Amino acid sequence: EAQVTQNPRYLITVTGKKLTVTCSQNMNHEYMSWYRQDPGLGLRQIYYSMNVEVTDKGDVPEGYKVSRKEKRNFPLILESPSPNQTSLYFCASSFVPANSPLHFGNGTRLTVT
Amino acid sequence: AQTVTQSQPEMSVQEAETVTLSCTYDTSESDYYLFWYKQPPSRQMILVIRQEAYKQQNATENRFSVNFQKAAKSFSLKISDSQLGDAAMYFCAYRSPRDNYGQNFVFGPGTRLSVLP
Repeated sequence: EAQVTQNPRYLITVTGKKLTVTCSQNMNHEYMSWYRQDPGLGLRQIYYSMNVEVTDKGDVPEGYKVSRKEKRNFPLILESPSPNQTSLYFCASSFVPANSPLHFGNGTRLTVT
Repeated sequence: AQTVTQSQPEMSVQEAETVTLSCTYDTSESDYYLFWYKQPPSRQMILVIRQEAYKQQNATENRFSVNFQKAAKSFSLKISDSQLGDAAMYFCAYRSPRDNYGQNFVFGPGTRLSVLP
């Protein structure tokens, strides 16, 4: 089944404790991206990647890191989480042509205390 | 940079009735793509419909259709014969055709739709 697999689904952590949210897609998509969803703000892009070893900042990259060592994986790393990073996070992927829709993972609800 | 606006934070519709969700966007590009996504309480993001800017014909998918007004930069979603399962958050999204453009996908803030039995 074609899908974007994102883990974990829920995560509660404390300020400063490094964490990684994993994302993997099996559709051979070149484009992958991370978003955070906050009430009233919609989805804001954190980082995106056009292909392996090619990543760039989105709207709200501060406090986040990503890597794209393999085409299928695009982990999101929070080196030192803070309470303002409490949010709902989505990984998404698509083919590069612009008429291609985004395929989303099921989201990760992160709470930082 | 492109922006997407959804001016209705919340809407409600009676079951079996028709509702229209509005979306406007700001761009200087002539070619682009527009999408509507549905997010039910399960929080899964589901593609509802897409529209290519170069196509004059409005896209339709079963009970879902759009009213695309390119000059007005408007992209509204019409849901006919509303069903209880249509209750969700709906996001309008813009995608630039330029692969190296930073904000490849831009989303609006969303409209929460309630369907009343």
